[in-house]
Amino acid sequence: QSVLTQSPSASGTPGQRVTISCSGRTSNIGDNTLNWYQQLPGAAPKLLIYGNHQRPSGVPDRFSASKSGTSASLAISGLQSEDEADYYCATWDDKLNGVVFGGGTKLTVL
Amino acid sequence: EGQLVESGGGLVQPGRSLRLSCAASGFTFGDSTMHWVRRAPGKGLEWLAHISWDSGSIGYAGSVKGRFTISRDNAKNTLHLQMNRLRVEDTAFYYCASQPQGWLARFDRWGQGSLVTVSS
Repeated sequence: QSVLTQSPSASGTPGQRVTISCSGRTSNIGDNTLNWYQQLPGAAPKLLIYGNHQRPSGVPDRFSASKSGTSASLAISGLQSEDEADYYCATWDDKLNGVVFGGGTKLTVL
Repeated sequence: EGQLVESGGGLVQPGRSLRLSCAASGFTFGDSTMHWVRRAPGKGLEWLAHISWDSGSIGYAGSVKGRFTISRDNAKNTLHLQMNRLRVEDTAFYYCASQPQGWLARFDRWGQGSLVTVSS
């Protein structure tokens, strides 16, 4: 059971917009910045979003994110087949004194 | 850009030990907080441990506390994870990741992963 809650799966067709949610508590999402990671099949995870909504250099602006209170969401617009991957939210938890990940959302591009 | 390369994984029997290493290059390793994260088969990412730039702050997930030890050698740009009393459920890909100063849970760089299989 992960500390941060994500839906196990999401899907969409090419060109669509999909949203992945992440919920937690005050001690984690509420009081700390949220980050999102993408893990393509057979690859290492990659930083997709940091600081709640900021994109590292090289990440397309099709990826956007927001946070409100103890919840956050990742949006992918103009869905492409190469977006098929596992997506994780992650942040620091003040009570656990460690990093916590969501359980991951498997995105399927139909 | 920088690079992280893990080594030391392999097949080990339950109860035995294994030491993973992570070699850093192309960035200022000594300025970064370093972490270990794993992904077990069929499961999601799990954070394991962190160590601050000067080794002054170290923390572990409850699942590995008391069994795993994180350490670093800034002179050699290397991070280690000593894993003792290994269990079957420790089977996973193990990743090292770097976090820039002033951030939490922001892992800018990841290694390619090292597979650890615990089985008799």
